[in-house]
Amino acid sequence: DVKVTQSSRYLVKRTGEKVFLECVQDMDHENMFWYRQDPGLGLRLIYFSYDVKMKEKGDIPEGYSVSREKKERFSLILESASTNQTSMYLCASSYSGTGGRQQYFGPGTRLTVT
Amino acid sequence: AQKVTQAQTEISVVEKEDVTLDCVYETRDTTYYLFWYKQPPSGELVFLIRRNSFDEQNEISGRYSWNFQKSTSSFNFTITASQVVDSAVYFCALSGSSGGGADGLTFGKGTHLIIQP
Repeated sequence: DVKVTQSSRYLVKRTGEKVFLECVQDMDHENMFWYRQDPGLGLRLIYFSYDVKMKEKGDIPEGYSVSREKKERFSLILESASTNQTSMYLCASSYSGTGGRQQYFGPGTRLTVT
Repeated sequence: AQKVTQAQTEISVVEKEDVTLDCVYETRDTTYYLFWYKQPPSGELVFLIRRNSFDEQNEISGRYSWNFQKSTSSFNFTITASQVVDSAVYFCALSGSSGGGADGLTFGKGTHLIIQP
């Protein structure tokens, strides 16, 4: 079974802190994604990566950056956390190529910024 | 720009009733892919189905069925004889021609389905 793991289920940080959210997948997937989920808004794409060291902005990249130094690991970075970044963060991965690739999701990290 | 609309924010039915979750999408791509995901209270998204834009056949999997109609840009999901375990938030999602490969998914806002015993 595909396994996508995220470093923490719950995280509490203070405003202004630098925050790292880690995601690891074990299926050699080329593509990895970060979404945030907020009540009434569904999931929104923050960043994605289709290869090591490659990254693309999603719909809401402001206030975030990402890092992909190894194929299996994709990190989301909040350079200076703010209260409006309190949310559920979901990581996903998929194979590359054509044909509507299913994305596999991790369990999520619920981040609270106080 | 792509858009997915799930107009029903919450549906509550009694167990064993049939229920249909609506999904309407917008895209300019001629090749695209539609998905349904389930998010139970545990939080992890579970993949249910994928459909490409060239395949308008309806699909049935046990108590689940999906009705894809390009003419109305809809991809509706029906649960027959609902059970309490079906209680979850259901998301409809859309990806472009790369099919979730080089593109992320555009999600609807989700429908919270409550099945009462």
